[in-house]
Amino acid sequence: GNSVTQMEGPVTLSEEAFLTINCTYTATGYPSLFWYVQYPGEGLQLLLKATKADDKGSNKGFEATYRKETTSFHLEKGSVQVSDSAVYFCALSDPNDKIIFGKGTRLHILP
Amino acid sequence: GAGVSQTPSNKVTEKGKYVELRCDPISGHTALYWYRQSLGQGPEFLIYFQGTGAADDSGLPNDRFFAVRPEGSVSTLKIQRTERGDSAVYLCASSLLGGIEGRNEQFFGPGTRLTVL
Repeated sequence: GNSVTQMEGPVTLSEEAFLTINCTYTATGYPSLFWYVQYPGEGLQLLLKATKADDKGSNKGFEATYRKETTSFHLEKGSVQVSDSAVYFCALSDPNDKIIFGKGTRLHILP
Repeated sequence: GAGVSQTPSNKVTEKGKYVELRCDPISGHTALYWYRQSLGQGPEFLIYFQGTGAADDSGLPNDRFFAVRPEGSVSTLKIQRTERGDSAVYLCASSLLGGIEGRNEQFFGPGTRLTVL
Protein backbone atom coordinates (compact mmCIF):
# COMPACT_ATOMS: atom_id res chain seq x y z
CA GLY A 1 0.00 0.00 0.00
CA ASN A 2 0.90 3.66 -0.09
CA SER A 3 3.27 4.91 2.60
CA VAL A 4 5.61 7.75 3.52
CA THR A 5 8.92 7.48 5.37
CA GLN A 6 10.67 10.54 6.74
CA MET A 7 13.77 11.05 8.82
CA GLU A 8 13.30 10.75 12.53
CA GLY A 9 13.84 13.68 14.80
CA PRO A 10 14.39 15.66 16.68
CA VAL A 11 16.59 17.73 14.42
CA THR A 12 18.42 20.54 16.18
CA LEU A 13 20.13 23.31 14.21
CA SER A 14 21.51 26.75 14.87
CA GLU A 15 19.84 29.78 13.35
CA GLU A 16 20.87 30.42 9.71
CA ALA A 17 21.93 26.79 9.17
CA PHE A 18 20.92 24.80 6.08
CA LEU A 19 18.05 22.38 6.59
CA THR A 20 17.24 19.10 4.88
CA ILE A 21 14.51 16.74 6.05
CA ASN A 22 14.46 13.56 3.98
CA CYS A 23 11.23 12.00 2.77
CA THR A 24 10.63 9.00 0.53
CA TYR A 25 7.35 7.47 -0.51
CA THR A 26 5.82 4.28 -1.85
CA ALA A 27 2.75 4.64 -4.01
CA THR A 28 0.91 3.22 -6.97
CA GLY A 29 0.27 5.74 -9.67
CA TYR A 30 1.26 9.36 -9.40
CA PRO A 31 0.20 10.87 -6.08
CA SER A 32 0.41 14.51 -5.09
CA LEU A 33 3.06 15.16 -2.45
CA PHE A 34 2.90 17.57 0.47
CA TRP A 35 4.77 18.99 3.40
CA TYR A 36 2.60 20.01 6.36
CA VAL A 37 3.80 21.94 9.40
CA GLN A 38 2.47 21.98 12.96
CA TYR A 39 3.71 24.93 15.00
CA PRO A 40 3.55 24.67 18.81
CA GLY A 41 -0.04 25.04 19.98
CA GLU A 42 -1.41 25.40 16.46
CA GLY A 43 -3.21 23.22 13.94
CA LEU A 44 -1.77 21.45 10.95
CA GLN A 45 -1.01 23.75 8.00
CA LEU A 46 -0.07 23.01 4.42
CA LEU A 47 3.48 24.29 3.83
CA LEU A 48 3.94 23.33 0.18
CA LYS A 49 2.89 20.77 -2.39
CA ALA A 50 3.79 19.30 -5.78
CA THR A 51 1.32 17.51 -8.00
CA LYS A 52 3.53 15.89 -10.66
CA ALA A 53 7.07 14.68 -11.27
CA ASP A 54 9.78 17.37 -11.36
CA ASP A 55 7.44 19.98 -9.86
CA LYS A 56 9.02 22.12 -7.16
CA GLY A 57 6.83 23.32 -4.30
CA SER A 58 7.99 26.37 -2.36
CA ASN A 59 6.76 28.58 0.45
CA LYS A 60 8.32 30.71 3.22
CA GLY A 61 11.82 29.89 1.94
CA PHE A 62 11.19 26.13 2.03
CA GLU A 63 11.45 24.04 -1.13
CA ALA A 64 10.86 20.43 -2.13
CA THR A 65 11.10 18.77 -5.55
CA TYR A 66 8.99 15.79 -6.62
CA ARG A 67 11.56 13.17 -7.71
CA LYS A 68 9.82 10.21 -9.32
CA GLU A 69 13.06 8.35 -10.11
CA THR A 70 14.10 8.29 -6.45
CA THR A 71 10.53 8.45 -5.03
CA SER A 72 11.61 11.34 -2.83
CA PHE A 73 10.34 14.75 -1.74
CA HIS A 74 13.05 16.15 0.53
CA LEU A 75 12.36 19.44 2.32
CA GLU A 76 15.10 22.10 2.22
CA LYS A 77 15.64 25.62 3.48
CA GLY A 78 18.80 27.64 3.01
CA SER A 79 18.77 29.57 6.28
CA VAL A 80 16.47 28.54 9.11
CA GLN A 81 15.06 30.85 11.76
CA VAL A 82 13.99 30.24 15.36
CA SER A 83 10.39 30.69 14.19
CA ASP A 84 10.75 27.59 11.97
CA SER A 85 10.77 25.38 15.08
CA ALA A 86 7.83 23.00 14.58
CA VAL A 87 6.92 19.46 13.58
CA TYR A 88 7.07 18.79 9.83
CA PHE A 89 5.05 16.04 8.13
CA CYS A 90 5.68 14.66 4.66
CA ALA A 91 2.51 13.31 3.06
CA LEU A 92 0.91 12.04 -0.14
CA SER A 93 -2.64 11.88 -1.37
CA ASP A 94 -4.03 8.67 -2.78
CA PRO A 95 -6.49 8.51 -5.70
CA ASN A 96 -9.40 8.75 -3.26
CA ASP A 97 -7.95 11.99 -1.92
CA LYS A 98 -7.18 10.79 1.57
CA ILE A 99 -3.81 11.99 2.85
CA ILE A 100 -1.21 9.54 4.11
CA PHE A 101 1.25 11.14 6.51
CA GLY A 102 4.73 10.28 7.67
CA LYS A 103 5.43 10.14 11.39
CA GLY A 104 6.70 13.71 11.54
CA THR A 105 10.07 15.31 12.24
CA ARG A 106 10.44 17.72 15.15
CA LEU A 107 12.74 20.64 14.32
CA HIS A 108 14.42 22.79 16.99
CA ILE A 109 16.23 25.95 15.93
CA LEU A 110 18.60 27.47 18.47
CA PRO A 111 19.23 31.24 18.50
CA GLY B 1 -13.47 33.93 7.03
CA ALA B 2 -13.75 31.26 9.66
CA GLY B 3 -11.63 28.16 9.38
CA VAL B 4 -12.51 24.62 10.38
CA SER B 5 -13.66 24.47 13.98
CA GLN B 6 -13.87 21.47 16.28
CA THR B 7 -15.58 21.03 19.62
CA PRO B 8 -14.78 20.26 22.30
CA SER B 9 -11.09 21.09 22.26
CA ASN B 10 -10.49 18.59 25.05
CA LYS B 11 -12.56 15.64 26.18
CA VAL B 12 -11.80 13.38 29.13
CA THR B 13 -13.95 10.31 29.54
CA GLU B 14 -13.93 6.96 31.27
CA LYS B 15 -13.41 3.62 29.64
CA GLY B 16 -16.65 2.23 28.29
CA LYS B 17 -18.38 5.60 27.83
CA TYR B 18 -19.79 7.07 24.62
CA VAL B 19 -18.37 10.29 23.11
CA GLU B 20 -19.27 12.60 20.25
CA LEU B 21 -16.81 14.92 18.55
CA ARG B 22 -18.06 17.73 16.33
CA CYS B 23 -16.54 19.34 13.25
CA ASP B 24 -17.72 22.53 11.52
CA PRO B 25 -16.07 22.74 8.10
CA ILE B 26 -15.39 25.88 6.10
CA SER B 27 -18.64 27.12 4.62
CA GLY B 28 -19.18 25.80 1.10
CA HIS B 29 -16.64 22.96 1.36
CA THR B 30 -18.24 19.77 0.11
CA ALA B 31 -15.50 17.37 1.22
CA LEU B 32 -14.85 16.58 4.88
CA TYR B 33 -12.23 14.26 6.39
CA TRP B 34 -11.55 12.83 9.83
CA TYR B 35 -8.06 11.80 10.93
CA ARG B 36 -6.65 10.49 14.21
CA GLN B 37 -3.22 11.51 15.51
CA SER B 38 -1.69 9.41 18.27
CA LEU B 39 1.19 10.74 20.34
CA GLY B 40 4.39 10.95 18.30
CA GLN B 41 2.71 9.83 15.09
CA GLY B 42 1.40 11.46 11.95
CA PRO B 43 -2.35 11.77 11.42
CA GLU B 44 -4.09 8.62 10.16
CA PHE B 45 -7.11 8.74 7.89
CA LEU B 46 -10.44 7.59 9.31
CA ILE B 47 -13.28 8.61 6.96
CA TYR B 48 -14.07 10.93 4.06
CA PHE B 49 -17.44 12.52 3.25
CA GLN B 50 -18.45 13.98 -0.09
CA GLY B 51 -21.59 15.91 0.73
CA THR B 52 -23.78 13.85 3.05
CA GLY B 53 -22.40 10.45 2.12
CA ALA B 54 -19.32 8.63 3.35
CA ALA B 55 -17.25 8.13 0.20
CA ASP B 56 -14.50 6.19 1.98
CA ASP B 57 -14.68 4.82 5.54
CA SER B 58 -11.83 2.36 5.18
CA GLY B 59 -9.84 3.98 7.99
CA LEU B 60 -12.36 3.46 10.77
CA PRO B 61 -10.63 0.99 13.09
CA ASN B 62 -13.72 -1.01 14.11
CA ASP B 63 -17.49 -0.82 14.47
CA ARG B 64 -17.26 1.24 17.65
CA PHE B 65 -16.47 4.23 15.43
CA PHE B 66 -19.14 5.91 13.35
CA ALA B 67 -19.48 9.31 11.71
CA VAL B 68 -22.35 11.24 10.18
CA ARG B 69 -22.84 14.38 8.14
CA PRO B 70 -26.62 14.57 7.74
CA GLU B 71 -26.91 17.96 6.04
CA GLY B 72 -23.61 17.99 4.20
CA SER B 73 -22.02 20.51 6.54
CA VAL B 74 -21.37 19.73 10.22
CA SER B 75 -20.05 16.25 10.97
CA THR B 76 -20.05 14.23 14.18
CA LEU B 77 -17.63 11.43 14.95
CA LYS B 78 -19.14 9.00 17.44
CA ILE B 79 -17.17 6.50 19.49
CA GLN B 80 -18.98 3.83 21.52
CA ARG B 81 -17.57 1.88 24.47
CA THR B 82 -14.38 3.93 24.48
CA GLU B 83 -11.09 2.19 25.22
CA ARG B 84 -7.81 3.62 26.52
CA GLY B 85 -6.29 3.02 23.09
CA ASP B 86 -8.74 5.51 21.60
CA SER B 87 -6.88 8.35 23.33
CA ALA B 88 -5.54 10.63 20.59
CA VAL B 89 -6.10 13.96 18.89
CA TYR B 90 -8.95 13.73 16.40
CA LEU B 91 -8.51 16.08 13.46
CA CYS B 92 -11.09 17.24 10.98
CA ALA B 93 -10.29 18.76 7.59
CA SER B 94 -12.39 20.14 4.75
CA SER B 95 -11.74 20.94 1.13
CA LEU B 96 -13.70 22.70 -1.57
CA LEU B 97 -14.29 19.70 -3.79
CA GLY B 98 -12.19 16.71 -2.79
CA GLY B 99 -11.56 13.64 -4.89
CA ILE B 100 -9.10 15.14 -7.33
CA GLU B 101 -5.93 13.49 -6.07
CA GLY B 102 -4.84 16.21 -3.73
CA ARG B 103 -5.36 19.11 -6.06
CA ASN B 104 -7.78 20.64 -3.58
CA GLU B 105 -6.10 21.76 -0.37
CA GLN B 106 -7.42 20.27 2.83
CA PHE B 107 -7.75 22.80 5.68
CA PHE B 108 -7.37 21.32 9.13
CA GLY B 109 -9.12 22.21 12.34
CA PRO B 110 -7.30 22.49 15.70
CA GLY B 111 -8.38 19.02 16.75
CA THR B 112 -10.10 17.47 19.75
CA ARG B 113 -7.81 15.86 22.30
CA LEU B 114 -9.60 12.77 23.63
CA THR B 115 -8.34 11.12 26.80
CA VAL B 116 -9.88 7.84 27.92
CA LEU B 117 -9.11 7.02 31.55
